[in-house]
Amino acid sequence: KAGVTQTPRYLIKTRGQQVTLSCSPISGHRSVSWYQQTPGQGLQFLFEYFSETQRNKGNFPGRFSGRQFSNSRSEMNVSTLELGDSALYLCASSLGWTGGNEQFFGPGTRLTVL
Amino acid sequence: QKEVEQNSGPLSVPEGAIASLNCTYSDRGSQSFFWYRQYSGKSPELIMSIYSNGDKEDGRFTAQLNKASQYVSLLIRDSQPSDSATYLCAVNSGGYQKVTFGTGTKLQVIP
Repeated sequence: KAGVTQTPRYLIKTRGQQVTLSCSPISGHRSVSWYQQTPGQGLQFLFEYFSETQRNKGNFPGRFSGRQFSNSRSEMNVSTLELGDSALYLCASSLGWTGGNEQFFGPGTRLTVL
Repeated sequence: QKEVEQNSGPLSVPEGAIASLNCTYSDRGSQSFFWYRQYSGKSPELIMSIYSNGDKEDGRFTAQLNKASQYVSLLIRDSQPSDSATYLCAVNSGGYQKVTFGTGTKLQVIP
């Protein structure tokens, strides 16, 4: 069974631009969660989607948004990029039916904001 | 107050020894607990999940959960240099998939 895929793997943007990241979950998984990982803050939860609905949201500004499509693929968008947005963005997929369902991570997208 | 706390390390153990990694959490209502391993430059990889008090073993790994003490640990027996990585403790306390991660413990296994 194929794992979680994320595109692109690397991205370089400048301040003020916007960016869209994509995540394809494991087949049959309906939940996709997004995380930001930085050396100083560790893994921070952004939001989680299940069946095209945002179920949970972390404490990030409105510049961070996401959506999920009917095939469970998810996109994350960051508008008006800031230097502090440079990070590894990870998505994780799970069956999503209960909080006990295990999450499996994709390889991540490394975003650098100049 | 951090919701999930781990000692950042590094924790250094000799090859063949038992590595003990610890994690405490603040939400007494937490029900699901996970351990991930993350190599430098890579994404987290799920090692084990544990849901009830006691021990759960999988190969060289044993997860231990004590909900009364709000404590979860991971033991790695016969540690190998390839086990050198950062180990992340994760706790689901908000229902569905709202998972909080600790900042991780860096493990170094010395040959």
